[in-house]
Amino acid sequence: QITLKESGPTLVKPTQTLTLTCTFSGFSLSTSGVSVGWIRQPPGKALEWLALIYWDDDKRYSPSLKSRLTITKDTSKNQVVLTMTNMDPVDTATYYCAHHTAMVPFDYWGQGTLVTVSS
Amino acid sequence: SYELTQPPSVSVSPGQTASITCSGDELGDKYVCWYQQKPGQSPELVIYQDSKRPSGIPERFSGSSSGNTATLTISGTQAVDEGDYYCQAWDSNTGEVFGGGTKVTVL
Repeated sequence: QITLKESGPTLVKPTQTLTLTCTFSGFSLSTSGVSVGWIRQPPGKALEWLALIYWDDDKRYSPSLKSRLTITKDTSKNQVVLTMTNMDPVDTATYYCAHHTAMVPFDYWGQGTLVTVSS
Repeated sequence: SYELTQPPSVSVSPGQTASITCSGDELGDKYVCWYQQKPGQSPELVIYQDSKRPSGIPERFSGSSSGNTATLTISGTQAVDEGDYYCQAWDSNTGEVFGGGTKVTVL
């Protein structure tokens, strides 16, 4: 059974750096073809893809946010970490992590974590 | 950057067929997925590779794609199908792209 869970701060101040952790079980990020992605959703708005990290440590970022994002993995801990720098109130959103493969993208999602950016 | 366009809303009567479109340049050349999201819940994959249903997804959900448009069809729509639906595809330049979402209301 695949499960994922996001963790991190619920409130960050403008200009601060956000660090989110996705802890998963039921699969290994060292298995060929497997990746983990981050997606966010501002309140009442659409889903927005942020980043992907692959089993071979390849990484992909949303072009519009690439300069602010870093995604890393710790295979031994079954964790993926996303950092986003220079947070702004418009970054207020629920942040999700999800299991991903090339043929079946985002088939398992975490419950999401709401991050509010406010001074 | 690549974009996917969906109608903001679709209304359907119980038992009828709901069709949700998703348009993008040469979308038929890409695999399209569809996600259902109910209020307060995480999205759930309902269609992948244009027309395949994950285990546990009812047969009333089907998908197709051709040219610049992909379509999610809900046959015999039930009240439980109300929610937001998002299409998604991969673009080599933009990465994973989601549509703007369509709110399905069962009247």
